[in-house]
Amino acid sequence: GAVVSQHPSRVICKSGTSVKIECRSLDFQATTMFWYRQFPKQSLMLMATSNEGSKATYEQGVEKDKFLINHASLTLSTLTVTSAHPEDSSFYICSATNLDRDGYTFGSGTRLTVV
Amino acid sequence: SQKIEQNSEALNIQEGKTATLTCNYTNYSPAYLQWYRQDPGRGPVFLLLIRENEKEKRKERLKVTFDTTLKQSLFHITASQPADSATYLCALDPYGNNRLAFGKGNQVVVIP
Repeated sequence: GAVVSQHPSRVICKSGTSVKIECRSLDFQATTMFWYRQFPKQSLMLMATSNEGSKATYEQGVEKDKFLINHASLTLSTLTVTSAHPEDSSFYICSATNLDRDGYTFGSGTRLTVV
Repeated sequence: SQKIEQNSEALNIQEGKTATLTCNYTNYSPAYLQWYRQDPGRGPVFLLLIRENEKEKRKERLKVTFDTTLKQSLFHITASQPADSATYLCALDPYGNNRLAFGKGNQVVVIP
């Protein structure tokens, strides 16, 4: 139990375009999901907290107009990187917590490369 | 400033030995601390959670200790196997609002 599915696993896009990443909780409902970014050899950095039915909460320094988050249902959150630039190239990971379990369940991550 | 520190050098260890990793934190008073395993190109996988009132937690070959006075957690892998080779991350919830902060991780390489 407690599986989080993330798609796509890899995406290459052109500079200036937008990319959508999906995060689904498959066997539990997640009122809250989290989006992280990880650069090589660095720690996971929390970008935002996605709340079902309400606006996301962004961490300091994260542009909410650039990283659009939608959490329209109890099992799906999406992150859209708008007007992507090469510096947005990174590993994006979502997570959710199932209140019946300790710990957080993470998706398998999305490797975004902006060319 | 608030920090979560893990050893940046990879730990190379012979199969069958015990690997011990350290996580130190400053300026936090977390109610619990978590350990995750991360393989290259994958998301972290939850391993263990230890609460502030627990000194030690075990799960199969894994053991975690938590010293809130020293602000330190130790993570042990006993009878290590090559399949244990991965990066291990410690994480805590600094403000008690489910927003996890992570260390950079410590790579373990188990040599057959």
